[in-house]
Amino acid sequence: QKEVEQNSGPLSVPEGAIASLNCTYSDRGSQSFFWYRQYSGKSPELIMFIYSNGDKEDGRFTAQLNKASQYVSLLIRDSQPSDSATYLCAVNRGYSTLTFGKGTMLLVSP
Amino acid sequence: GAGVSQSPSNKVTEKGKDVELRCDPISGHTALYWYRQRLGQGLEFLIYFQGNSAPDKSGLPSDRFSAERTGESVSTLTIQRTQQEDSAVYLCASSKDRVGVSGELFFGEGSRLTVL
Repeated sequence: QKEVEQNSGPLSVPEGAIASLNCTYSDRGSQSFFWYRQYSGKSPELIMFIYSNGDKEDGRFTAQLNKASQYVSLLIRDSQPSDSATYLCAVNRGYSTLTFGKGTMLLVSP
Repeated sequence: GAGVSQSPSNKVTEKGKDVELRCDPISGHTALYWYRQRLGQGLEFLIYFQGNSAPDKSGLPSDRFSAERTGESVSTLTIQRTQQEDSAVYLCASSKDRVGVSGELFFGEGSRLTVL
C-alpha cells in the first residue's frame, strides 16, 4: 500500500463550482497534513495545513481531516480557471520530512 | 536570498557522466531537502539535512547519489554515472524548522536533468 494516495484525475469542474480533492494515507501515526498546489512547470507551494480532526477554512479553501478513516480532503469553493493546477497531498514522516502523493490534476473550465 | 535558488535550471548530459546540482536555501532555514519529480509523478524524497545533524539519506535510490551540505548553507546533490532513469526535475526545499512542526517547505524552481 502506498503511503499517500490520490486520484490522479484530471478532475474537471466548471467555473464557480466546488472542487473536492481527496487523499488517503497509510501511517496512523501521521499528525500533520498539507496541501500543496503545483502549476504546470512550476514548483509546489503550500496552500494549507491541518493537524486536528475536522475542518479548517482559509478563504475559498477548506481542508478536512478524519484521522479515524485516514482521510484528508481539500475543498475549493467558487473554483476559478486560475485554480487549474495539480494539488499534492503531503503527510509528515516523523518530525522531519514529508511524504507526497502523486497529486490530482484539477481543470476548471470557464 | 529571497527564495531558494537552484542551479543549473536545465542540464542535459550523456549517460555515464557525473552531474552536480546546487541549492542555496533561504537564509536562516535550518532544514534542507532534496526531492525528485519524474514526469507526471509526485515528489520522491531523496535526502534531508537539519543543521549539523547527520543527514537522513533514506530516500537516496542508489549509491550513485550523494549530497553534501556545509553548515546551514549551500547543498550539492551529485549523481555519478548518470542513467536515463535519472532524468527528472530535482527540487530543493528549505524550511525554518522541522516540517513535522511547521510544515512549510519553500521550494526552488528545480533543476531539470535530462540524460541522453
